[in-house]
Amino acid sequence: GNSVTQMEGPVTLSEEAFLTINCTYTATGYPSLFWYVQYPGEGLQLLLKATKADDKGSNKGFEATYRKETTSFHLEKGSVQVSDSAVYFCAHTTLTGGSYIPTFGRGTSLIVHP
Amino acid sequence: DAGITQSPRHKVTETGTPVTLRCHQTENHRYMYWYRQDPGHGLRLIHYSYGVKDTDKGEVSDGYSVSRSKTEDFLLTLESATSSQTSVYFCAISDIRAYEQYFGPGTRLTVT
Repeated sequence: GNSVTQMEGPVTLSEEAFLTINCTYTATGYPSLFWYVQYPGEGLQLLLKATKADDKGSNKGFEATYRKETTSFHLEKGSVQVSDSAVYFCAHTTLTGGSYIPTFGRGTSLIVHP
Repeated sequence: DAGITQSPRHKVTETGTPVTLRCHQTENHRYMYWYRQDPGHGLRLIHYSYGVKDTDKGEVSDGYSVSRSKTEDFLLTLESATSSQTSVYFCAISDIRAYEQYFGPGTRLTVT
């Protein structure tokens, strides 16, 4: 079946530290992969995406590479800021029975201290 | 930002009463989704729609029904609310050419 597994949080870092949030997936077919971010009291926002193997998605200093051989899409940022504190969701979308069905991970909370 | 709104934003209701949540979009996107978000469970799909009058169940559809009579509106109904349906509900839309979803601001529902 389809699933997304991401590391449990919270992840606590100091400002300017390096961030990695691991994400692995199982999917039928060829999924598109996404990272979304959710700030307190808000809905999810798309952070970055990759639609085929070896694609790298990037936005606001965050990056993730679609690794088909390891079924992974790890999120990285070289230097985090306090404003990056949020919950991050890994997700994929697959074509199932003629419809595009999304599957989300459980989310990883990131807390960045000054 | 995608034009997507949810109403109401907050609601408190009693066990056994019917509740309807509304999602409205101005983007003319084909796909619309309803999710619930609960601590420890992340985001779970309740129902989705792939066109007017075309809907299907997600992983946690028991106790919920949906309707889509117009492209822009997707309604989620709890026929008889229970305390286990206390949650934050999010609507999302998607243009299939892009695959990614755009989310509404959420509705916080409390069933007492």
